[in-house]
Amino acid sequence: EAQVTQNPRYLITVTGKKLTVTCSQNMNHEYMSWYRQDPGLGLRQIYYSMNVEVTDKGDVPEGYKVSRKEKRNFPLILESPSPNQTSLYFCASSSTARGLYEQYFGPGTRLTVT
Amino acid sequence: DQQVKQNSPSLSVQEGRISILNCDYTNSMFDYFLWYKKYPAEGPTFLISISSIKDKNEDGRFTVFLNKSAKHLSLHIVPSQPGDSAVYFCAAGGGATNKLIFGTGTLLAVQP
Repeated sequence: EAQVTQNPRYLITVTGKKLTVTCSQNMNHEYMSWYRQDPGLGLRQIYYSMNVEVTDKGDVPEGYKVSRKEKRNFPLILESPSPNQTSLYFCASSSTARGLYEQYFGPGTRLTVT
Repeated sequence: DQQVKQNSPSLSVQEGRISILNCDYTNSMFDYFLWYKKYPAEGPTFLISISSIKDKNEDGRFTVFLNKSAKHLSLHIVPSQPGDSAVYFCAAGGGATNKLIFGTGTLLAVQP
């Protein structure tokens, strides 16, 4: 089954404790991206990657890091989480050949930073 | 600055009637527009798209209209069904970047 998986689905942590949210896709997609969803603000892009070792900032990259060492994985790293990073996070992927913007989304990770 | 705007946070329609969801954008460099649908506790799913070279695209009960001069797009659902109840996001991409910019979403409730 074609899918994007994220782990963990729920996470409660404290300010300053480094965390990683994993994302993996099994569709051999080149493009991967991270979004956060907040009430009244919709979905905002954090980082995206056009392929292995190629990453670029989205609209809200501050406080986040990403890496793309393998085509299937695109982890999101919060080195020192703060309460304003409490949000619902989505990973997505797409094929640059078949439609960059027609993205498959994961189920989401709800993060709470206290 | 919100480049993609959905001014109606919510919309309620009767089953069988038409649902019209609206979206405005400000960046004239956008050349590809999409609608995504989101159910609670799930990720968004791609619904329908339109390129800037077209003004209409149909897929079954769903039609997207694009008015480039007004920088406006709309999604028509005919006939609406209770299973269509979800949050709908419009999104735009293109220009000099590979970013996808989303609107704030419209919650559609289709009443049986």
